[in-house]
Amino acid sequence: QVQLQESGPGLVKPSQILSLTCTVSGGSITSGAYYWSWIRQHPGKGLEWIGYIHYSGNTYYNPSLKSRLTISVDSSKNQFSLKLSSATAADTAVYYCARVGDKELELDYWGQGTLVTVSS
Amino acid sequence: DIQMTQSPSSLSASVGDRVTITCRASQTISSFLNWYQQKPGQAPKLLIYAASSLQSGVPSRFSGSESGTDFTLTIRSLQPEDFATYYCQQSYRTPLTFGGGTKVEIK
Repeated sequence: QVQLQESGPGLVKPSQILSLTCTVSGGSITSGAYYWSWIRQHPGKGLEWIGYIHYSGNTYYNPSLKSRLTISVDSSKNQFSLKLSSATAADTAVYYCARVGDKELELDYWGQGTLVTVSS
Repeated sequence: DIQMTQSPSSLSASVGDRVTITCRASQTISSFLNWYQQKPGQAPKLLIYAASSLQSGVPSRFSGSESGTDFTLTIRSLQPEDFATYYCQQSYRTPLTFGGGTKVEIK
C-alpha cells in the first residue's frame, strides 16, 4: 500500500520560499508510469492543482503558479519536493501530495495534507 | 483552462436516499473525469476514475456516468459515512482542474 507524507514548515514569512517535501513509502517513486503531484486547498475552499513531476524530471506546472514554482524529485530518498517563491498570504493553504495513477491521470493516493500559513 | 462546473453546490438528503451530483466540462474531455470524496480534516479519496470505473475498495453504491460533456456521480442508497464533500476533476489536459465541490449534508 502506497503511502505519502508531507513535511515542512507550517509557518512561512511573506516574500520567503514555501518549501515542502513528500516522502513516498510502500512503493518506489521510480515506478515507471506514475507522476507525483502537489495540490492545495485554501481554507474552506476547493482544490487547486499545483503541478506534477515524473521521476525522470519531466514536470508540468499550473500556469498560474509557474513563475514561482519548482517541483523536484530525489529518487535516492523516494521523495519529491515543492518550492514556491515570493510567498504571500494568498499561498496560505493545506498542501497535499498525491500519486498520479497510470489509468487516466487520476489522483489515486494522497498524503494527509499539511497546513502552511504565510504570515509575519 | 478547462472549467468544471459542479451542481448543486450543496444538498440535504436522508440515509437511504438516491443522490445525484452533476459536473459539466467547458469543452470535450473524453472520459477523463474523476470523482473524489472529502470528509472534514481529511484528504480527498478517489471514488471513480475514467468517468465510470470504480476505484478498488469503493462500495458499489457509488457509480459514475457520462453524456457528452456532462458527468454524473450517483450514490444509490446514501449511508451515514457518505456525508461529505464531493469533487469532480478533469485529467484530459493540464492544468488539471476541479469542480467547486458538492457538500452532501444530513436532512
